[in-house]
Parts: sequence; structure tokens; C-alpha cells
Amino acid sequence: GDSVTQMEGPVTLSEEAFLTINCTYTATGYPSLFWYVQYPGEGLQLLLKATKADDKGSNKGFEATYRKETTSFHLEKGSVQVSDSAVYFCALRHSGNQFYFGTGTSLTVIP
Amino acid sequence: EAQVTQNPRYLITVTGKKLTVTCSQNMNHEYMSWYRQDPGLGLRQIYYSMNVEVTDKGDVPEGYKVSRKEKRNFPLILESPSPNQTSLYFCASRGASLNQPQHFGDGTRLSIL
Repeated sequence: GDSVTQMEGPVTLSEEAFLTINCTYTATGYPSLFWYVQYPGEGLQLLLKATKADDKGSNKGFEATYRKETTSFHLEKGSVQVSDSAVYFCALRHSGNQFYFGTGTSLTVIP
Repeated sequence: EAQVTQNPRYLITVTGKKLTVTCSQNMNHEYMSWYRQDPGLGLRQIYYSMNVEVTDKGDVPEGYKVSRKEKRNFPLILESPSPNQTSLYFCASRGASLNQPQHFGDGTRLSIL
């Protein structure tokens, strides 16, 4: 069945460091891919998405490219800030309203 | 303001005592879902609904029921809660268009003793 595997955390970076959080997926066909962010005590918020191969989603300095050949959707940011500290979830939607989420990666950015 | 509202936010109860967690959205969304979030497991979909009176099982439906009698509401029912249902629960909704994002509620933390 469909599944998402993402890099285990926690990840701790210094401010202005480069961030990569790896995400790979297993699915038949052409799922839509998402990154969500969860701040402490809150629900998830959509960070970015891509709906077809080679699409690049971007938002707030974060980027991820839908790579069908490697079944990946890695999240990157060139220069992280303390305010980026949160838990990040990779997810896919294959059809309809059925979603599959990764286990989440906790990011802490220190000044 | 666009919102998904869950109630209660926190609940401690005992095994076997039926409970309902309500979820309401004010965006006229067709699609609604319930998830549970557990450490090391991420979010897992319990049930989802694509419209009124249309519901489907997600990955972990055992021990849960849902109903969708009205478009705005999607309650999650635990008929006989057990300790393994202690978790953080999220409701989400989205519009029917293919690229609509999900909007999540703030979560309900359930503890079943």
C-alpha cells in the first residue's frame, strides 16, 4: 500500500544553517505530495505542495521538488531561523481524500 | 475567519465510557477527516468523508465510528474507549477541488484510563 518515509529526527541546527529533511514515498500512479508544519500546541498547517512530477512547491523560503524517478520530495531551506522550529510532516494523497503521513521530523533552530 | 473547531480540547475518561469528539467547519468544505497522532507513528487517518452521508475507513478505523449528517459537522465516536485509544486527535477539512489544502483543527488530547 501507499506509504511515506521521512528522515528521523530530532534535527538541531544553528540559525542561518542549510536544512534538508528527506522524504520518500511508495505509491502507485501519481500521488500529490505535501509538506505540513506543526508548531507546539497547534494543528498542522500546509507548508507547500506539488501535484505532478518535476513540480517545485515553495513557501516561506522552503522548497521541495517532486522527483518521480527517485520517489522523493525532500524539503530544503537555505537559511533557517529560530521561528522555523517545529515538527515537519511529509504526506501524500493518492486519490479522493485518503492521506498518508510520515512520522514527522522535529526541527530545533538555536540562535 | 475560516476555522475547524474541535471539542473538547482535552478529556480524561475511563475505559468503556462512550464519548464523542465534535468537529465543525465553517468553510462549506465537502471533505473531512479524522486523524490520530502518536509518537513515532506520525498521523494516521481514522475515517474520512467526501460529502454528507458518505464516509470511508482510513488506516486505523477499529474502535471508532463517525457520522456525516450535515456538511459542517463530522463527529468522532468512541463507543467503548480503551487505553490504546489514548492519543492526540485532529479533525481536518478541505474543499473538493483537486488542489485544495487541508485545514486542521487544534487537536483533542484524549486520555483513557
